[in-house]
Amino acid sequence: NAGVTQTPKFRILKIGQSMTLQCAQDMNHNYMYWYRQDPGMGLKLIYYSVGAGITDKGEVPNGYNVSRSTTEDFPLRLELAAPSQTSVYFCASSYSDRGEGYTFGSGTRLTVV
Amino acid sequence: GQQVMQIPQYQHVQEGEDFTTYCNSSTTLSNIQWYKQRPGGHPVFLIQLVKSGEVKKQKRLTFQFGEAKKNSSLHITATQTTDVGTYFCAGRANYGQNFVFGPGTRLSVLP
Repeated sequence: NAGVTQTPKFRILKIGQSMTLQCAQDMNHNYMYWYRQDPGMGLKLIYYSVGAGITDKGEVPNGYNVSRSTTEDFPLRLELAAPSQTSVYFCASSYSDRGEGYTFGSGTRLTVV
Repeated sequence: GQQVMQIPQYQHVQEGEDFTTYCNSSTTLSNIQWYKQRPGGHPVFLIQLVKSGEVKKQKRLTFQFGEAKKNSSLHITATQTTDVGTYFCAGRANYGQNFVFGPGTRLSVLP
């Protein structure tokens, strides 16, 4: 099993550009999450999904969109990138919400200039 | 909303010394999790605590959940250079809610 795979690992965007961060898991996990991590600030939840076709906002959803058309994939879309979106983005998954722990991907380091 | 705090923010120890990080929540928690993130890496799940006063051990790591279920601690005995990283706690008030992560405690171990 590859676990949670994120692409790309690094990306530099210009202000106003758009991009999609890809996330795929092969563990048949129902729950998937997108977090952003800013230095010294911990992890902030952007969006999450409890299953295919179901998504919901987290703590910091503004400027982002998601979709969940399959169990495996959970892409994060950035529209009109802004410098405030410079961060490290982590995708995570879990089989349920009973607290068995999240499996995180290796992250995407995004810089908006 | 729910807030999770951790102290200290940074800790520098000599190899072989003990280390403790504390996690405090503004609300009573149903369960709490601990994660470790190596420099440049991603968070890795360590453990979950559910019961009031619960204590769990993983080799040199001891995790404790407070009696009031509003705080938790992670203690590392005789630190090693492999313990370097940031330790995060994540708690939630009720099952079905999302976990809220603390800001983490960054541990450096001097050989």
